[in-house]
Amino acid sequence: QKEVEQNSGPLSVPEGAIASLNCTYSDRVSQSFFWYRQYSGKSPELIMSIYSNGDKEDGRFTAQLNKASQYVSLLIRDSQPSDSATYLCAAVYGGSQGNLIFGKGTKLSVKP
Amino acid sequence: EAGVAQSPRYKIIEKRQSVAFWCNPISGHATLYWYQQILGQGPKLLIQFQNNGVVDDSQLPKDRFSAERLKGVDSTLKIQPAKLEDSAVYLCASSLAVGSSYEQYFGPGTRLTVT
Repeated sequence: QKEVEQNSGPLSVPEGAIASLNCTYSDRVSQSFFWYRQYSGKSPELIMSIYSNGDKEDGRFTAQLNKASQYVSLLIRDSQPSDSATYLCAAVYGGSQGNLIFGKGTKLSVKP
Repeated sequence: EAGVAQSPRYKIIEKRQSVAFWCNPISGHATLYWYQQILGQGPKLLIQFQNNGVVDDSQLPKDRFSAERLKGVDSTLKIQPAKLEDSAVYLCASSLAVGSSYEQYFGPGTRLTVT
């Protein structure tokens, strides 16, 4: 069974802190990983993609991929109340043609 | 650049009725996806089109769900007859082409309530 696992949270951090969101996946063949942000009542918004082992930084966001451990993470530096949302981890599985398998999402709350 | 468009945004129907959703992808995006998102879950793929051909419909409940993309642009997803468990948000997404490195962009979704 192809699965993407996330801690559902809620994860609560104070404003200005680093939020760390984690995700594991079951398919060793998977090559591409994505983080989506979903505000309540809205659709998912792509914020990061990562394809190679290591870190990828984009502004306050850093995605980390470790294929040996089948682990993906998202760090949000200097967290703001506007970052409060559900963060969805998704993986494209080997053998599929770009189909995303999503985790259930982690709800992040940033307290002022 | 305009995003993915969907309509209607909300729909309430009774069980056993039929309903249709419409999607217009980002201009130039060859691949179109329909997802179902139940409250508290991540989106689940229902069907994937490449231009006007079906690439993957393995998770589409074909006894009640159907989808088409006749001219390789707009797409319609239909449910007939609807069941209570079909209450969900139906999301359309598009990407440039089939391929594991291509990013998918979502429309605003249609929230369906079946009573």
